Amino acid sequence: GDSVTQMEGPVTLSEEAFLTINCTYTATGYPSLFWYVQYPGEGLQLLLKATKADDKGSNKGFEATYRKETTSFHLEKGSVQVSDSAVYFCALTESGGYQKVTFGIGTKLQVIP
Amino acid sequence: GAVVSQHPSRVICKSGTSVKIECRSLDFQATTMFWYRQFPKQSLMLMATSNEGSKATYEQGVEKDKFLINHASLTLSTLTVTSAHPEDSSFYICSAMLAVAKNIQYFGAGTRLSVL
Repeated sequence: GDSVTQMEGPVTLSEEAFLTINCTYTATGYPSLFWYVQYPGEGLQLLLKATKADDKGSNKGFEATYRKETTSFHLEKGSVQVSDSAVYFCALTESGGYQKVTFGIGTKLQVIP
Repeated sequence: GAVVSQHPSRVICKSGTSVKIECRSLDFQATTMFWYRQFPKQSLMLMATSNEGSKATYEQGVEKDKFLINHASLTLSTLTVTSAHPEDSSFYICSAMLAVAKNIQYFGAGTRLSVL
């Protein structure tokens, strides 16, 4: 079945550091890929997505590129801020009508001033 | 953006009691809602898919008599954990999907259930 593997945190960075959170996936078809973010006390929010190979999703300074050859969708940000502290979930949905979401374990990011 | 409210955010109960968790879409109608569960250090796992006005579809291995789901209106779905036991302690989170935006789910803040 489908699966998503992401690095287990917590990840602790200083403000303005470069962020990479790795994510790889296994899927039978051609999935859409997502990054969700959960800020403390809030629900998951869609951060960015990519629906086909070589697409780049971007939002709020975060980027991730759909790499079919390496089955990866790594999340990056050039300069993190304290307000980026949250849990980040990599996820996929299979192509087709049934939108079941398969999540990774979630990576907690803590940015210190 | 679309808002999903989940209540309560945290509940502690005694073993053998039942607990109801509510999931509401505040500013849109959700024909489909999903219930997930997250164990410590594990992914969110889909428990069931709830469609308004019909029976929920449960994932393999999820006991439908243990986890009762009701989706009586387009803005409300409830999950009732019946006769809760300590092994049911977990983080439960719901999501709602717009009929016209099937590749995006809007999530609640989750409910932390602790069964003593």
